[in-house]
Amino acid sequence: SAVISQKPSRDICQRGTSLTIQCQVDSQVTMMFWYRQQPGQSLTLIATANQGSEATYESGFVIDKFPISRPNLTFSTLTVSNMSPEDSSIYLCSVGRQGDSEAFFGQGTRLTVV
Amino acid sequence: EDQVTQSPEALRLQEGESSSLNCSYTVSGLRGLFWYRQDPGKGPEFLFTLYSAGEEKEKERLKATLTKKESFLHITAPKPEDSATYLCAVLNTGKLIFGQGTTLQVKP
Repeated sequence: SAVISQKPSRDICQRGTSLTIQCQVDSQVTMMFWYRQQPGQSLTLIATANQGSEATYESGFVIDKFPISRPNLTFSTLTVSNMSPEDSSIYLCSVGRQGDSEAFFGQGTRLTVV
Repeated sequence: EDQVTQSPEALRLQEGESSSLNCSYTVSGLRGLFWYRQDPGKGPEFLFTLYSAGEEKEKERLKATLTKKESFLHITAPKPEDSATYLCAVLNTGKLIFGQGTTLQVKP
């Protein structure tokens, strides 16, 4: 299995500010994804983080709001920009390897916007 | 449109009372069906991946099965530590599409 470290684990932020979440994996992985889990809800895919190119966003998510970087095969960041209380959620990093036999998640970042 | 539906939303069991959780799906090209366990405040913990109808996998008190339209997670003689939310997801074109989850509570 892959060991995934997410930072920060939680944060309370003022509306209008931005927060960058980091995801570090202990080995090289092919696929890295970012998910959002709103209170009481299941997981929704925000985007696929592509190494060396722009992320691929799902419907309803845009780069200006959720810019993503992936400089190498073990690291990615997600920024939540110009935050509002509606952005209060758990944000999760997920990784997978070629063949898609397993997909692992980090512990998540619990974000509260006040 | 790809869709995953889990039932029931919540399940309360007595310790030792076996039961099953259901995950029904519609997807254009199933690449795999995943089961996860999620404890409050934590990320999902990978349990199983199933690829084809008829496939079964077991882990301790859990057994997952797959048909062409649904998957079941059977819990045999559950213990209080099995209390968690169980998530089902289908893999299609590299993306995981999740159901809403079943929250299981096992009482001693």
